[in-house]
Order: sequence, then structure tokens, then C-alpha cells
Amino acid sequence: DIQMTQSPSTLSAPVGDRVVIACRASQPIGTSLAWYQKKPGNAPKLLIYKASNLATGVPSRFSGSGSGSEFTLTISSLQPDDLAVYYCQQYKTYSHSFGPGTNLEI
Amino acid sequence: QIHLEQSGSAVKKPGASVRLSCKASGYSFRNFGVAWLRQAPGERLEWMGWIYPYSGLTYYAPKFQGRLSVTTDTSANIAYMDLASLTSDDTAIYYCARETTLGYYFDHWGQGALVTVSS
Repeated sequence: DIQMTQSPSTLSAPVGDRVVIACRASQPIGTSLAWYQKKPGNAPKLLIYKASNLATGVPSRFSGSGSGSEFTLTISSLQPDDLAVYYCQQYKTYSHSFGPGTNLEI
Repeated sequence: QIHLEQSGSAVKKPGASVRLSCKASGYSFRNFGVAWLRQAPGERLEWMGWIYPYSGLTYYAPKFQGRLSVTTDTSANIAYMDLASLTSDDTAIYYCARETTLGYYFDHWGQGALVTVSS
């Protein structure tokens, strides 16, 4: 089974900062990686698919990169609305495993 | 617009079963897979199972085999999840989500339903 890890587990940054969240897969997954944003009390929201493709309606300050086992989610200029937990998810295999999440504090 | 509306929260006793529903609107229900996922307190999201409404084909995560059943009513655009033999470890928020046709990721989610298992 593919295990997903994320770093850091918690990140605190001021508005306007550039923020990078890392995600690592225990084995290569190509670009079969998605990123989600989850705000308290809300369902997860798809941000990025296929490692670097922006989902419909997602602000352009979000971007994804990486392939193989190492991936990153970047927020170019942090906004107050970005307060959330961010999860990566591999979909190379049918286990659809998720990372543990990165709690982003503004 | 695309919307997935889930049934409400439930409180169950250990050993009982729970049925959750997920009504889809705004897209062709039969042509997109529907997955069920959950998130227990302090835990990461966990994929449980999936159904393709057009054919009824299902896949289940190994840990849920035998006590999870995912079905659909295509005439009403509703997906159901039945989970049996509940324990306190099944206390979680349960989500339905639409799987894209481009890959096994999820572009629309229901609002979630809290299932609490307690004696």
C-alpha cells in the first residue's frame, strides 16, 4: 500500500507570504496526485489534480508541482481565506491514500 | 450546478448498522463514479468504497470488505452506503464524493454526515 506523508504538519505564515507544503509518496506515483483544501465544518475542496493542474474556480495563487514521489503545493501570496487544512491524495492505486494534512494558520 | 446532498447525522450502538444516502444533482449521475470516504477524529481521510452507477460495479477497501455495501438508485440519482457491525472506531464524518472521469480523484463532495457509535 502506498503511504503518503506531508510536511510540515502545521505552518504559520502572515498574509502575503509564499507558502510551500510538501507531500511524499512511499513509492513512485507518476503525477497521480491531487491536493484538497478543507476548512472547518466544510467538505474538502479539490485544488490541484494530476500534480499541477488547477481545478476549476481555484485562484491562480495556488499551484502544484512534482512527479514520482515528491510533490509540492505552493500558495504564492497567502490570503486570510486560505486558513485551512491541506491534504494530498495519491490515485495511482485504488487505495486512494491521503496524507495526514498540513494545518495552515494565518 | 453540481451538488451532492447527504443525509443527516446518526447515532448508533455498537453492533448496529448505518445507512447513509447521497443525492446527486446537476450532472449525469449514471456516468460518474461515486466514492464514500470518512474522516475519524484526528485521523486522515480514508477511502472506503466506490460504485459506478451505470453498471453497478463496486470496489471496496480491504478493511471494509464484508461489512460495507455501496448501492445506487439511478432513477432517483441517489447513492447509498451501508456499514454493518459498527464499533466506536467507526465514529467519523462520512462523505460521498464524485470521482472524475480523468482519474481516481474527487471533484465534488457532499457536506458530510457525522456517525457516532456509542453505547
